[in-house]
Formats: sequence, structure tokens, C-alpha cells
Amino acid sequence: DIQMTQSPSSLSASVGDRVTITCQASQDISNYLNWYQQKPGKAPKLLIYDASNLETGVPSRFSGSGSGTDFTFTISSLQPEDIATYYCQQYDNLRFTFGPGTKVDIK
Amino acid sequence: QVQLVQSGAEVKKPGSSVKVSCKASGGTFSSYTISWVRQAPGQGLEWMGRIIPILGIANYAQKFQGRVTITADKSTSTAYMELSSLRSEDTAVYYCARDHDSSGWYHDYWGQGTLVTVSS
Repeated sequence: DIQMTQSPSSLSASVGDRVTITCQASQDISNYLNWYQQKPGKAPKLLIYDASNLETGVPSRFSGSGSGTDFTFTISSLQPEDIATYYCQQYDNLRFTFGPGTKVDIK
Repeated sequence: QVQLVQSGAEVKKPGSSVKVSCKASGGTFSSYTISWVRQAPGQGLEWMGRIIPILGIANYAQKFQGRVTITADKSTSTAYMELSSLRSEDTAVYYCARDHDSSGWYHDYWGQGTLVTVSS
């Protein structure tokens, strides 16, 4: 099975800061990489699919890039409502795997 | 607009089984695939498996193979996840999610989650 790693596991940043999270797959997954946001007590919410496509209705400060094994998720200007845990997820061979998550909070 | 509504919280004894339902509305159920994802307290997300209702075919994460069964009833637009031989480590919130295909696949709609507590 493909393994996913994320870094950092947590971060603190100020409102307005640029925040970057990286995700690495254990083998080439092309662009089959998604990003989700999860707030406490809530179901995850899709933000980015196929590595770089913004889901409808998601603010444009969120973006994603990468292909193959290395991917990046960026919040261009952190807002208070972005406090959450962010997960990458890969799809390969009929199966999904989530990364371990990155917890983002306000400094 | 797709909506997924899950069954209520469950408390189960170790060694027993639990069956969680996920009723879909909006869209065409037979054209979906439905995944199940779980989250233990304070832990990350874990994909368990999924079903293609129109075919009745399911596939599972290796970790749960042999212990989880995912089914679907097209007549009621409901998917089910049954987990057997429960142990304390199975205490978690279980989510259903609709899979959408694009270049790859992703989960675009989620149920509200069902808390399953395994305790003697």
C-alpha cells in the first residue's frame, strides 16, 4: 500500500501569514492527491482535488500543487476561520490513503 | 445537492459487531460510490473501504479485510458498513462519504458521522 507523510505535524502562524504544508507519497501517484480541512467535531471538507483543483465554493487563498510523489498545500493569507487540521489523501489502485494530518493554529 | 444521513451512536461489547447505515438523498444513488472513513479519538482519518452500489462490488483497505463488510441497498439509497470482532481500538467516529471521479477520485459529500464506542 502507498504510504503518505505530511509535514509539519503542527504549526502556529499569525493571521495574514502564508502557510505551507507538504505531503509526500511513497510512490508515484501522478496527480491523484486531495486536500481536506477538518474542524473539531465536524466531518472533513474537501478543499483541493487532483493536486491543484479548487473545489467549488472554497476561497481562493487555498491552493495546491505538485505531482508524482511531492505535493504542497498553501494558504496564502491565514484567516482565523482556517484553524483546523489538514489532511492530504491519495487515490491509487481502487484504494485511498490519508496522510497523518497537520494541525494549524493561530500564534 | 447530495445529503448523507447516518444512523445514531452505538455502544457495543468487545467481540460483537456493529452495522452503521448511511442514507443518501439527491443525485442518483446507483451512480455513486460510497466510502467509509473512521477517526479514533484524537487520531487521524482512516479509509476503510467503499462500494459501487450499481454493481454491488466493494473493496477494502488491507487493514480491515475480513472484518468489515460494506453493502448497499439501491431500493432505499442506503449504504451499510458492518464491522465485526469489535475491540476497544475500534472506538471511533465512522463517516460515510460519496466518492466523485475526476482525474482521480475524491470524497465530495460526507455524512455527519456515527460514534461507535466499544466497551465492556
